[in-house]
Amino acid sequence: GENVEQHPSTLSVQEGDSAVIKCTYSDSASNYFPWYKQELGKRPQLIIDIRSNVGEKKDQRIAVTLNKTAKHFSLHITETQPEDSAVYFCAARRSGGSNYKLTFGKGTLLTVNP
Amino acid sequence: GAGVSQSPSNKVTEKGKDVELRCDPISGHTALYWYRQSLGQGLEFLIYFQGNSAPDKSGLPSDRFSAERTGGSVSTLTIQRTQQEDSAVYLCASSEDRVSGYTFGSGTRLTVV
Repeated sequence: GENVEQHPSTLSVQEGDSAVIKCTYSDSASNYFPWYKQELGKRPQLIIDIRSNVGEKKDQRIAVTLNKTAKHFSLHITETQPEDSAVYFCAARRSGGSNYKLTFGKGTLLTVNP
Repeated sequence: GAGVSQSPSNKVTEKGKDVELRCDPISGHTALYWYRQSLGQGLEFLIYFQGNSAPDKSGLPSDRFSAERTGGSVSTLTIQRTQQEDSAVYLCASSEDRVSGYTFGSGTRLTVV
């Protein structure tokens, strides 16, 4: 089945700096890659997603890039703010077969220091 | 409803007792999922419902775990004879269909003492 690796497990940055979180996946049939943000004690919330027919997607300070050949995708947060502090999870889902199931990485704890 | 609701939000139970966790998905969402989140771990898939059927139960850790969904809506996850290793946050999610994005509930934090 699909395996998603996420790095780093923790990331600390100064306010205003950029943050990058990277994920790799194993199943070449995967074609949907969402990112979730989970604040302490709250539910995971979808912040951005990308499908395999594009290489990059941006939404204000957040962007996701996808390299299908290398089977990796990354989350980029620019001009970080303290409210960006949270655990971020990447996920992958394949086309066909078990295309309902999201397989998640183990998460990255991002701390933005004021 | 407006979002995915889970109850209880917290549950402390004694080892060996049975527990039931409830999920009320977004109205009209046909797909429903249960995941488990343990400390320092990602989200572990447990089971998927399409309507009232569960075509994929492959993530249930043991036969002590079961789940059902009725009326294409509310789902209950039951853990029998709870063990300490069952302690985790149990998250429910729903989606419009099997290929749409998930909306998660706030989870049930289960502590087995």
